[in-house]
Amino acid sequence: SAVISQKPSRDICQRGTSLTIQCQVDSQVTMMFWYRQQPGQSLTLIATANQGSEATYESGFVIDKFPISRPNLTFSTLTVSNMSPEDSSIYLCSVRNQGDNSPLHFGNGTRLTVT
Amino acid sequence: AQSVTQPDIHITVSEGASLELRCNYSYGATPYLFWYVQSPGQGLQLLLKYFSGDTLVQGIKGFEAEFKRSQSSFNLRKPSVHWSDAAEYFCAVGAGDTGFQKLVFGTGTRLLVSP
Repeated sequence: SAVISQKPSRDICQRGTSLTIQCQVDSQVTMMFWYRQQPGQSLTLIATANQGSEATYESGFVIDKFPISRPNLTFSTLTVSNMSPEDSSIYLCSVRNQGDNSPLHFGNGTRLTVT
Repeated sequence: AQSVTQPDIHITVSEGASLELRCNYSYGATPYLFWYVQSPGQGLQLLLKYFSGDTLVQGIKGFEAEFKRSQSSFNLRKPSVHWSDAAEYFCAVGAGDTGFQKLVFGTGTRLLVSP
């Protein structure tokens, strides 16, 4: 399975600032996703990162708050903008290859604390 | 819309005892079902998956799960629990028009293992 590296692994940020999280995969993958896991909660899909075009956002998530880039088939970034304490969560990158019913594989996540 | 219910928030099992974690799903078509495990501070690791065929699927670390369409369930089992199995377990259903494109997760069950 693909090896997924996320940076940073954790960060503490002040409210009003922005943080960009990077996701690097060791092989080309068709699909990349960003999930959020709030404290004590399950995972919620933020968006699907599309190569060369705008990401597809789930209900309740908007591009201005969570801009996403995907310049190629192995890399994506998620930015958490104008942060507030409510954005304190684990953000996880996940990948899969469409068409072969391969499962989702996850990175180790980025633990974000906003003060 | 797809949904997953994990009715048990916490479960405590003695080391060496058997384990069953419950998962019920709601999905109109044949589901793609998954179990993931998350150890503290880690990302999600895939334990096993069901796409089609044999309804009893074997996974890693001695886990298995049985798909029961009549009960809309996909319960996870292990005959003898080890202390290292203490973690959070997530059931998920694949959602999408062709195969699956994204996952909907349950709220998770935290497994505690007593000596």
